[in-house]
Amino acid sequence: DGGITQSPKYLFRKEGQNVTLSCEQNLNHDAMYWYRQDPGQGLRLIYYSQIVNDFQKGDIAEGYSVSREKKESFPLTVTSAQKNPTAFYLCASSIGSGPDTSGPRDTQYFGPGTRLTVL
Amino acid sequence: AQKVTQAQTEISVVEKEDVTLDCVYETRDTTYYLFWYKQPPSGELVFLIRRNSFDEQNEISGRYSWNFQKSTSSFNFTITASQVVDSAVYFCALSEADQGAQKLVFGQGTRLTINP
Repeated sequence: DGGITQSPKYLFRKEGQNVTLSCEQNLNHDAMYWYRQDPGQGLRLIYYSQIVNDFQKGDIAEGYSVSREKKESFPLTVTSAQKNPTAFYLCASSIGSGPDTSGPRDTQYFGPGTRLTVL
Repeated sequence: AQKVTQAQTEISVVEKEDVTLDCVYETRDTTYYLFWYKQPPSGELVFLIRRNSFDEQNEISGRYSWNFQKSTSSFNFTITASQVVDSAVYFCALSEADQGAQKLVFGQGTRLTINP
């Protein structure tokens, strides 16, 4: 089945620890995204990547880092510098428009999410 | 800056009633896309519809319908004959172009509860 997987579903971490959230897709999509959702809130963009080995900061990138070494994978690391990391994290992907500004805008499809709790 | 407003934080209706979820957006782009997503209790966002700014035709898909009006910058979503399975949080989103990338700006969401 084609889709987006995120693991783990629930994650607990102690204050001061870094933690990495996994996101994998087998849809052959070029673009991938990470969002954060807090209770009763909409989604906010953390980082996004249009192609392998390239990524850009979103609206709330501080305290987070990403890598995009493979097309299928876009892991997110929540560092100890993130002041309030407890949240629901959603990964998404889209076919992608590439660096050409005239490219199509594509629908984003989401994974099941990871709920991170800092103890 | 782009902005999406979903003024209804929570809506509760009895099964089989019709319900409309409001979405108002702000953008300076002439070309843009609007989306609706459903978030059931499991948490995953499920894509429902995408509409581009040049297509103001209303869309109907089964019990779901969407009304796009550029004159009022609104993209409202109606569920006809609601069912308990429609209970979820619904998000409206607006695409924002950024150097060729598509970024989504989300509203705060409307929590819809359908009571049996």
